[in-house]
Amino acid sequence: DVKVTQSSRYLVKRTGEKVFLECVQDMDHENMFWYRQDPGLGLRLIYFSYDVKMKEKGDIPEGYSVSREKKERFSLILESASTNQTSMYLCASSPPPSGSNQPQHFGDGTRLSIL
Amino acid sequence: AQSVTQLDSQVPVFEEAPVELRCNYSSSVSVYLFWYVQYPNQGLQLLLKYLSGSTLVKGINGFEAEFNKSQTSFHLRKPSVHISDTAEYFCAVRNTGTASKLTFGTGTRLQVTL
Repeated sequence: DVKVTQSSRYLVKRTGEKVFLECVQDMDHENMFWYRQDPGLGLRLIYFSYDVKMKEKGDIPEGYSVSREKKERFSLILESASTNQTSMYLCASSPPPSGSNQPQHFGDGTRLSIL
Repeated sequence: AQSVTQLDSQVPVFEEAPVELRCNYSSSVSVYLFWYVQYPNQGLQLLLKYLSGSTLVKGINGFEAEFNKSQTSFHLRKPSVHISDTAEYFCAVRNTGTASKLTFGTGTRLQVTL
């Protein structure tokens, strides 16, 4: 089974801090994704990556950046955390090609609170 | 661009009753369709997917969905629900072209009670 592991289940940070959310997958998937989930809004794509050192903006990239230095690891970075970034963050991965019929596999999520 | 509408934000149902969760999509090209389930404090898990062929798709935990191209719908059904089916359900769509993103609906909360 595919395993997508997010480093923290719960995280509390302060406004203005630089925040790192880490995600690791063990199935050698090319594609990795970061979403945020908010009540009534469903999942919204922040960034995704098709390969090492490749990244593409999703629907809501403002205030975020990503890093993909190794194939198995995809990091989401909040450059200067703000309270409106309090949310559940979900990481996912899928095998290539990016437009294929392969489903995405999700981690358990990180619930981030910005105070 | 594609979009997904889940009209029902919450669906209460008694145990052993049938349930239908509605999903409508919009796209100008062919699509793949997915249903995911999210149990409390967990990530999303794939329930079933429609890629091509038979319009009736069977998934895990006794769920099934029917693809209706003319009505652009992909409703999820289960003939008899269990307490353990209480969860949030997300419909998602992806265009069949390359480099296309997965678009999720806003989710339907299924609450099963005795």
